[in-house]
Amino acid sequence: QKEVEQNSGPLSVPEGAIASLNCTYSDRGSQSFFWYRQYSGKSPELIMFIYSNGDKEDGRFTAQLNKASQYVSLLIRDSQPSDSATYLCAVIGDDKIIFGKGTRLHILP
Amino acid sequence: EAGVTQSPTHLIKTRGQQATLRCSPISGHTSVYWYQQALGLGLQFLLWYDEGEERNRGNFPPRFSGRQFPNYSSELNVNALELEDSALYLCASSHGTSGGTDTQYFGPGTRLTVL
Repeated sequence: QKEVEQNSGPLSVPEGAIASLNCTYSDRGSQSFFWYRQYSGKSPELIMFIYSNGDKEDGRFTAQLNKASQYVSLLIRDSQPSDSATYLCAVIGDDKIIFGKGTRLHILP
Repeated sequence: EAGVTQSPTHLIKTRGQQATLRCSPISGHTSVYWYQQALGLGLQFLLWYDEGEERNRGNFPPRFSGRQFPNYSSELNVNALELEDSALYLCASSHGTSGGTDTQYFGPGTRLTVL
């Protein structure tokens, strides 16, 4: 059974600090990795995707991928109250996408 | 550019009935994916359609089925509804050019309630 694991949280981070979200996956053949943000009652929206080992930066967001250790992380710099949401990690391998159950992030004003 | 659209927004059915949910992908996208998100659970992959064909399905019983039309829109049908089918059903679309590894964009979802 291929799995994607995330800490359910809630993860509480002070406003302005760095929020660090982690995700591990079991399928070593996984090819594509995505981070989605989902506000309560809304559908997921794409934040970032990453395919290669290393870091990928986009504004306040940085995705980090380590295929050898089978984890992918998302860093949010200068956290804002509007970043409070559930963050879903998604992993694609063998033409099937598997979502983690998400980490609830709470930014403290 | 219009995003993924889904209809209806809300759907209320009784146990044993059938539900039909509809999805229109982003223009130019050929792949459509269906997911179930039950309260407190993560996104569960249901079905993937590309170019009118079912490419993959998740671990759901056969009463969950669907199809994709020539214009790439899609329907999800749920037969013999059960109470535990109550969930948010999300549709996503992608370009479908990379064998299922494309970035997926989600619609607003259909909230199905089974009484």
